Amino acid sequence: DIVMTQTPLSLSVTPGQPASISCKSSQSLLHSDGKTYLYWYLQKTGQSPQLLIYEVSSRFSGVPDRFSGSGSGTDFTLKISRVEAGDVGVYYCMQGINGRTFGQGTKVEI
Amino acid sequence: QVQLQESGPGLVKPSETLSLTCAVSTGSISPYYWSWIRQPPGKELEWIGYISYTGNPTYNPSLKSRVTISVDTSTNRFSLKLTSVTAADTAVYFCARDWTGTTVFDYWGQGTLVTVSS
Repeated sequence: DIVMTQTPLSLSVTPGQPASISCKSSQSLLHSDGKTYLYWYLQKTGQSPQLLIYEVSSRFSGVPDRFSGSGSGTDFTLKISRVEAGDVGVYYCMQGINGRTFGQGTKVEI
Repeated sequence: QVQLQESGPGLVKPSETLSLTCAVSTGSISPYYWSWIRQPPGKELEWIGYISYTGNPTYNPSLKSRVTISVDTSTNRFSLKLTSVTAADTAVYFCARDWTGTTVFDYWGQGTLVTVSS
C-alpha cells in the first residue's frame, strides 16, 4: 500500500502571505505512461472536498492561479501565492497510481 | 455540471450490512469510473473503492473482504454494500466521479452520515 505523508498537519497563515504544504509518497507516483498521479483537494468546513490540482500541477477548472502544484516522483508541494480568507479548510493530497490513498490532511487557518 | 446524490439508511445496526446508492444526474455513468469515499467524524478521507462503467470494481485492500460496489448504467446509479459493520464504520459516506482520463474526484455528492449503533 502507498502511504501519503503531509507536512505540516496544521498551518496558520496571514492573508496576503504565501503558504506551502508538502506531501510525500512511500512509492513513486510516476507511471509508465509518463503521467504522475498526484492530486490535491480542499475540504472546507461542512462541505465535500473539491479538486484543486490534478497530475501534480494542472489546475482544475475555476481554480485560481494563486494555487500551484509542483514536484515529481515521491515529493510534492502545493503552494498558495497569496492566501485569502476563503482558502481556509483542510487540504489533502492523494495518490492515484495504485488505488487511491489520501494524506492525513493539513488544516489551514487564518 | 454533473450532480451526485447519495441515499440510504442513516442508521445501521452492528453486524448488519450498510447499503448506499449514488444517483448521477446531468451526466452519464459512461464512460467514467465512480468511487465511494468515507470520512469518520473529525478524521481524514478514506477511499473505499471504485467501479468502471463496465462494472469492473477495485477495492481498498483494507476493506476488500467486506465491500461490494456495483453499477447500473440503465438508471445512472452505482451502489455500495459494506457487510458486518461495526462502530468503526460510522462515517460520512461520499460518492464521487473517479477517473476521467485526467482528473479524479472532480465531482462529489454532498455526503451522507451513516451511524452504526444498536
